[in-house]
Amino acid sequence: DAGITQSPRHKVTETGTPVTLRCHQTENHRYMYWYRQDPGHGLRLIHYSYGVKDTDKGEVSDGYSVSRSKTEDFLLTLESATSSQTSVYFCAISEPPQTYEQYFGPGTRLTVT
Amino acid sequence: SQKIEQNSEALNIQEGKTATLTCNYTNYSPAYLQWYRQDPGRGPVFLLLIRENEKEKRKERLKVTFDTTLKQSLFHITASQPADSATYLCALPPKDAGNMLTFGGGTRLMVKP
Repeated sequence: DAGITQSPRHKVTETGTPVTLRCHQTENHRYMYWYRQDPGHGLRLIHYSYGVKDTDKGEVSDGYSVSRSKTEDFLLTLESATSSQTSVYFCAISEPPQTYEQYFGPGTRLTVT
Repeated sequence: SQKIEQNSEALNIQEGKTATLTCNYTNYSPAYLQWYRQDPGRGPVFLLLIRENEKEKRKERLKVTFDTTLKQSLFHITASQPADSATYLCALPPKDAGNMLTFGGGTRLMVKP
């Protein structure tokens, strides 16, 4: 998985609790992305980062925040989890303009009860 | 915004045959288009990138075509094998945002021995 790890891999949490997912890369890539994948919707971009402390919103950013204090780590936080945020979350990295392809982590399955 | 259409129905073919998957998009023509493979429970894996000025690209048993007039890309797997069974996703950069990707919903390919 191209030197990308995600933690935790599985999590069950209750509605209203805060949750933080971590993405860690060892490739020193500048761009990092958070996606969610749901049946019928495919992969949708939540937030992305183009450098330390540089982040921007994606297609489905409501209810999510991100932080990137180091090149290698990109955190996704659900401030108050809702059942609609039950999903599989993928982190990805890329290094444009050298390459535009994205390399994905193994994913985190989050269940909000 | 860009809309990407992939056949949501599974494609079932016999081993040894050529599989052809379709990716159609609306609106603007992107500078490039990418194809990914995703196995159950895993993150997508990059396969091929084709640029707008390339009609065709090959990698081993894989071939991708890009027709900007038809707004369509075709993804071919020749001499298909059961190990090729997976979901295949196409992805395009949004207009004026070359470092992000919008993904299609994917087509599941089943190769039967």
